[in-house]
Amino acid sequence: AQTVTQSQPEMSVQEAETVTLSCTYDTSESNYYLFWYKQPPSRQMILVIRQEAYKQQNATENRFSVNFQKAAKSFSLKISDSQLGDTAMYFCAFNGGSQGNLIFGKGTKLSVKP
Amino acid sequence: SQTIHQWPATLVQPVGSPLSLECTVEGTSNPNLYWYRQAAGRGLQLLFYSVGIGQISSEVPQNLSASRPQDRQFILSSKKLLLSDSGFYLCAWSVSSGSTDTQYFGPGTRLTVL
Repeated sequence: AQTVTQSQPEMSVQEAETVTLSCTYDTSESNYYLFWYKQPPSRQMILVIRQEAYKQQNATENRFSVNFQKAAKSFSLKISDSQLGDTAMYFCAFNGGSQGNLIFGKGTKLSVKP
Repeated sequence: SQTIHQWPATLVQPVGSPLSLECTVEGTSNPNLYWYRQAAGRGLQLLFYSVGIGQISSEVPQNLSASRPQDRQFILSSKKLLLSDSGFYLCAWSVSSGSTDTQYFGPGTRLTVL
């Protein structure tokens, strides 16, 4: 069975600093996609970044970047220059099925402090 | 651009009452549609997904059902609500491209069953 594990239930970071959120997953598939979603207090799930497993280059979206280690099945999210608006729950998700079903981790609650 | 709507935003229902949550997508054709439930403090659980009109796949057996009467409309229903049905319900859409999809979420419906 495919699983996604986020080992950090809560984290905090000072504004303007950098923080890294961890995610590991388990799968026997060779081709798959990984995602980070952000859920602010409004609770709408917002796509932050996605990574295709067959691409060795780590994905980057402005202040957000990932460290994808395929052999270790690790997919961490780095947020640079943290802003107060980054305060949210962050979910790591895996997609390896043909129907596009997402498997989510339990989330990491990130607080950015002024 | 594509947008996804969900209503109602908030709903309080007594145990044993029926339920109907609606999700509509604009700006795309033949999307894949998904219903997720998020219990308090937990990750997302996929309930149903649909790849076309009248095509519904259920991931979790329960007293909920889903229907897709139109291409861009997805409805979540129940004949008799249980206390355990309380939670935050999210609808998502995607368009198949290659081996996987990227899912985009609606604003969600907060359901409280009393």
